[in-house]
Amino acid sequence: GAVVSQHPSRVICKSGTSVKIECRSLDFQATTMFWYRQFPKQSLMLMATSNEGSKATYEQGVEKDKFLINHASLTLSTLTVTSAHPEDSSFYICSAHPGGVRGWANEKLFFGSGTQLSVL
Amino acid sequence: GESVGLHLPTLSVQEGDNSIINCAYSNSASDYFIWYKQESGKGPQFIIDIRSNMDKRQGQRVTVLLNKTVKHLSLQIAATQPGDSAVYFCAENSGYSTLTFGKGTMLLVSP
Repeated sequence: GAVVSQHPSRVICKSGTSVKIECRSLDFQATTMFWYRQFPKQSLMLMATSNEGSKATYEQGVEKDKFLINHASLTLSTLTVTSAHPEDSSFYICSAHPGGVRGWANEKLFFGSGTQLSVL
Repeated sequence: GESVGLHLPTLSVQEGDNSIINCAYSNSASDYFIWYKQESGKGPQFIIDIRSNMDKRQGQRVTVLLNKTVKHLSLQIAATQPGDSAVYFCAENSGYSTLTFGKGTMLLVSP
């Protein structure tokens, strides 16, 4: 089955530093990738939609200058948390969609294993 | 931001019992629904899906029921096993490739 690799799985950083999280589709090309944030005991909240070769679309309330998304190739999207603060500590999850026409019959989202970010 | 004191609904069952996890969705225009299983510290894992032109779909040990009239979705797990312990989320597709996740239910299976 399709695999989405997310790295790193865990990162601890000091307040004010920037952290980059990578999301790779290993055996398919992903025209669209999604970034989610999940706080403890809560659901996944969509942060942004990353489209290869174009600017990401951010959900309401998500600061695009703080959460930089780059989708430079069909197999890699990165999320950079800039000037991280303790309130940014969360579980970040990416997912990838193979693309194609609308229709979900055979196309499902594939999720990465998540990145636990802890900002001290 | 995070809500203080928020906790997931929890369903506790004995090994071998059948489990039923419920979900209410919000968008009557959603046409595709998925159940995911999430173990601690991991990403969601696909379990089963259903399109809005169906009201029931069966997989291995799992069944999803869809009631569009009341916008309700359920996941039935037969002969629940300790390895089924996890948080279960329903998700609805309300736009091209955009999923909206439900709040989640924690399933605890006792041996």
